[in-house]
Amino acid sequence: DTGVSQDPRHKITKRGQNVTFRCDPISEHNRLYWYRQTLGQGPEFLTYFQNEAQLEKSRLLSDRFSAERPKGSFSTLEIQRTEQGDSAMYLCASSLASQGDPYEQYFGPGTRLTVT
Amino acid sequence: AQSVSQHNHHVILSEAASLELGCNYSYGGTVNLFWYVQYPGQHLQLLLKYFSGDPLVKGIKGFEAEFIKSKFSFNLRKPSVQWSDTAEYFCAVTAFLRYSSASKIIFGSGTRLSIRP
Repeated sequence: DTGVSQDPRHKITKRGQNVTFRCDPISEHNRLYWYRQTLGQGPEFLTYFQNEAQLEKSRLLSDRFSAERPKGSFSTLEIQRTEQGDSAMYLCASSLASQGDPYEQYFGPGTRLTVT
Repeated sequence: AQSVSQHNHHVILSEAASLELGCNYSYGGTVNLFWYVQYPGQHLQLLLKYFSGDPLVKGIKGFEAEFIKSKFSFNLRKPSVQWSDTAEYFCAVTAFLRYSSASKIIFGSGTRLSIRP
């Protein structure tokens, strides 16, 4: 499978715990995005990486959230001191800047986080 | 800030009925528009996209959408739905990021489509 992959697919954690999610983009895609989708809503943008540089962060990304893309390939999203309001589906997407349709993003299956 | 409105939260149709899902966006300049579909338990998938050119866009699985600039609309249509079209449908628009030539995608809240066999 050459699509975007995310791990884990589901995560249940207790309030106050830290969690980390991983995203593997399509090989050679230099752009990587994180989105969050809550029940009954469309995905909302969280942050963007071009190669290893984090170039944009949404105001939704509180200081408890941190994202990295250390070698410009896979990315991790960590949430510290989780709260019940963090329960959501976390989606990763990737794209290639030099492709003919630079605006098209390819989405992974998401990680569903439940905070109890 | 750009936004996308989807007027129908939940649509229920019988098989073979015609479908039209409404979508309006707020930005008056050049826009890039999408319809994504999310089948139960599956990834978000691109149905169709409009960047420029012919305002009537054809996508996969018999779907099409019409870009009407004067109405800020990008409605999704299908002449005859099938049970397998049961899914959540999202209209979306790109918005440029401040510090990059890349764009984020702004999604509407989605329309759940249920098809009765």
